[in-house]
Amino acid sequence: AQSVTQLGSHVSVSEGALVLLRCNYSSSVPPYLFWYVQYPNQGLQLLLKYTSAATLVKGINGFEAEFKKSETSFHLTKPSAHMSDAAEYFCAVSDRSQRCTSYGKLTFGQGTILTVHP
Amino acid sequence: NAGVTQTPKFQVLKTGQSMTLQCAQDMNHNSMYWYRQDPGMGLRLIYYSASEGTTDKGEVPNGYNVSRLNKREFSLRLESAAPSQTSVYFCASSETSGTKGGPQYFGPGTRLLVL
Repeated sequence: AQSVTQLGSHVSVSEGALVLLRCNYSSSVPPYLFWYVQYPNQGLQLLLKYTSAATLVKGINGFEAEFKKSETSFHLTKPSAHMSDAAEYFCAVSDRSQRCTSYGKLTFGQGTILTVHP
Repeated sequence: NAGVTQTPKFQVLKTGQSMTLQCAQDMNHNSMYWYRQDPGMGLRLIYYSASEGTTDKGEVPNGYNVSRLNKREFSLRLESAAPSQTSVYFCASSETSGTKGGPQYFGPGTRLLVL
């Protein structure tokens, strides 16, 4: 069974500082990986996705993530945090080994709340 | 193009009451999902529908039923609400085909309080 672990339920950074949100996965085969962002009282919005093309994936709002198979990681980064980045971030995995009728199911991490200080 | 829409946005129920949460998507996706979100637990899959006419249980299906009315609509029903079902419910859809799966797109959520 696949699983996702997000290290750190809360991360706090200063405006302009590097943002690093950690995600590790376990899966029987290299999976598809996703990062979502959730602003208060809203649904989840797709930030970026890894689907076995380039290992460095660029997303919206200046975020990017790197797939590292040897480390089973898919950490999310942004060089310079902005106040508007404050939100909860979810890493999710979709196992490509699933049978067709269950394909597309995502397993989510617990989420990381990002706080940005002025 | 509205994406994924959910109704209602908020609902308060008394224990034992029933209700149906509605979800519709206009992206012509074949797969649809219902999740619940609780503090500190991320999102947990309740039910999903890989394609029109099929539904399957997810991680936490007890106390819920679903109907895939057509390709656009996927409803979630609570037959006898319990306080443990107080949560935020999200509907999502995605395009899946063979071994290729697209990302899921989420609705704005329904906040449910069961007293």
